Amino acid sequence: EAGVAQSPRYKIIEKRQSVAFWCNPISGHATLYWYQQILGQGPKLLIQFQNNGVVDDSQLPKDRFSAERLKGVDSTLKIQPAKLEDSAVYLCATSRDRALQETQYFGPGTRLLVL
Amino acid sequence: GDSVTQMEGPVTLSEEAFLTINCTYTATGYPSLFWYVQYPGEGLQLLLKATKADDKGSNKGFEATYRKETTSFHLEKGSVQVSDSAVYFCALTNTGNQFYFGTGTSLTVIP
Repeated sequence: EAGVAQSPRYKIIEKRQSVAFWCNPISGHATLYWYQQILGQGPKLLIQFQNNGVVDDSQLPKDRFSAERLKGVDSTLKIQPAKLEDSAVYLCATSRDRALQETQYFGPGTRLLVL
Repeated sequence: GDSVTQMEGPVTLSEEAFLTINCTYTATGYPSLFWYVQYPGEGLQLLLKATKADDKGSNKGFEATYRKETTSFHLEKGSVQVSDSAVYFCALTNTGNQFYFGTGTSLTVIP
């Protein structure tokens, strides 16, 4: 079974520029999560989708971050404009469903550096 | 709210030493508990999990027991190897399958 795919793996941009990350989930996984992992910290949930609907985006900085999951499969996360403090690894994870105890499977992440 | 607290690192051990990484949690209800491992340059991988009190998760020689009375889920391994060098994250999930992660513990095993 193919894992969660993410691209790009690395991105360097200047502050105030825009950037987008892409995630392709494991086939059949209904639930998709985007996390931000700042160096030295654990992942922090940004947004959770169930199919193509948003379940939880309470920790998403909506003034600059946006995400979508059209057709309930692939997802994109966008930052516009980027700030220095957005430098982090952005992880995509998917699970079969939102049901309790479902394991989340993580992609390799996109490492973003904002200069 | 729900949260996870894990032992700070970094931890450095010699090969074949005994490993313990402490993890305690705060949660309402009956969460599921997980240990994830992150090898250098890679994404998080599930190491083991336990879904109810007194359950023991185990994988690759690692074990952790869900202790509701002490709200703990400590990770142990009897004999570590150089290949176990990684960052280990304790996590919990509750209603809605939202995950809460600890800050991670870096482990380095030296030959």
